[in-house]
Amino acid sequence: AQSVTQLGSHVSVSEGALVLLRCNYSSSVPPYLFWYVQYPNQGLQLLLKYTSAATLVKGINGFEAEFKKSETSFHLTKPSAHMSDAAEYFCAVILSSNTGKLIFGQGTTLQVKP
Amino acid sequence: DVKVTQSSRYLVKRTGEKVFLECVQDMDHENMFWYRQDPGLGLRLIYFSYDVKMKEKGDIPEGYSVSREKKERFSLILESASTNQTSMYLCASRTTKRSYNSPLHFGNGTRLTVT
Repeated sequence: AQSVTQLGSHVSVSEGALVLLRCNYSSSVPPYLFWYVQYPNQGLQLLLKYTSAATLVKGINGFEAEFKKSETSFHLTKPSAHMSDAAEYFCAVILSSNTGKLIFGQGTTLQVKP
Repeated sequence: DVKVTQSSRYLVKRTGEKVFLECVQDMDHENMFWYRQDPGLGLRLIYFSYDVKMKEKGDIPEGYSVSREKKERFSLILESASTNQTSMYLCASRTTKRSYNSPLHFGNGTRLTVT
């Protein structure tokens, strides 16, 4: 069963436009949620994480994400896209506090047009 | 800064060969992970290790095994490589001293081609 779903494998925006990358999860317990970014030919790096302290989480490079329990969503946004934001973005969830196993979504490639 | 080093960036092997992918981290992290990354499928967990000599199967362990004899090193073994194991392999590590929500630190990946 899919535990985390990213809607849209490719998203294209113009430079300066709003970025919205969607992530939904399925979990019966409060999850830990993360967004990671992968630039070409590199490993993944953490953008931000949800730790239940606040529903709106701010990350690096101007990105933020809002945890909505009623919608089981954790969408990633940025008010104004920059060319350097072009990358692949992954949503991830820890479902079990016993093992800490981290499950990733399918990824969304963000293209930024000049 | 945490460094996770994967021994090879590119690897080409023949079908049926035994393949070792090595990963070393320098921050005394308890947990280590092996994922494979394929287009459209994201990252899929192969195996992870809680600590030295402890391991647990991920979502796609078939055809793979792992070894963690020392805390800093986590090896992925393809017992008999097949063409469907051609992929990008990513290693990651994490500390659990505070909780499981500490971030994973990734290596740059090994692109394995099996011919």
